[in-house]
Amino acid sequence: EPEVTQTPSHQVTQMGQEVILRCVPISNHLYFYWYRQILGQKVEFLVSFYNNEISEKSEIFDDQFSVERPDGSNFTLKIRSTKLEDSAMYFCASSAGGAGNQPQHFGDGTRLSIL
Amino acid sequence: GQQVMQIPQYQHVQEGEDFTTYCNSSTTLSNIQWYKQRPGGHPVFLIQLVKSGEVKKQKRLTFQFGEAKKNSSLHITATQTTDVGTYFCAGNPAGNQFYFGTGTSLTVIP
Repeated sequence: EPEVTQTPSHQVTQMGQEVILRCVPISNHLYFYWYRQILGQKVEFLVSFYNNEISEKSEIFDDQFSVERPDGSNFTLKIRSTKLEDSAMYFCASSAGGAGNQPQHFGDGTRLSIL
Repeated sequence: GQQVMQIPQYQHVQEGEDFTTYCNSSTTLSNIQWYKQRPGGHPVFLIQLVKSGEVKKQKRLTFQFGEAKKNSSLHITATQTTDVGTYFCAGNPAGNQFYFGTGTSLTVIP
């Protein structure tokens, strides 16, 4: 069964540095998402992406964050000037359809630790 | 802003007992999805509800969407140890934005 893959599985970064989290969505999916989950808390929506542009974004997704689909397969989340509170698990998800019409398939996540 | 709350936060049951988690949205939803997350794992899609008052069943799991499309529930009959995990509802008010609930962590005691 096709799956969403995320790399790296764990990223340790010094505060103030930039990180890029990578995702390869399921190949025939058109909608892509980033979520974060602080340890023991709920899953928080960051951004959705469709047709090479941001579809929706939450209040969390400020100027510190950006997303890109640099080629036909990768979907990246860049966090500039990282802060301690950015430490969390970051999940990428993809779906075949949007507006909640299709299931979202999640990757295994990248655990981001900011020191 | 949009909020999705779930109760209870934690639930411990003896194996074989039933379990229910309730999800309440501050605003009307277009649809709602349910996910299960095992400890250390990622959310896995369970079901989607779209219509007002909709009820769907998956073996021992029964999902319901409220008439006002602001609340939902998941009921598990005769829990098994494989049901352990955190159950999240994810509300979609419109567009491609999803508000996950606070989750209910289920522990099943053998």
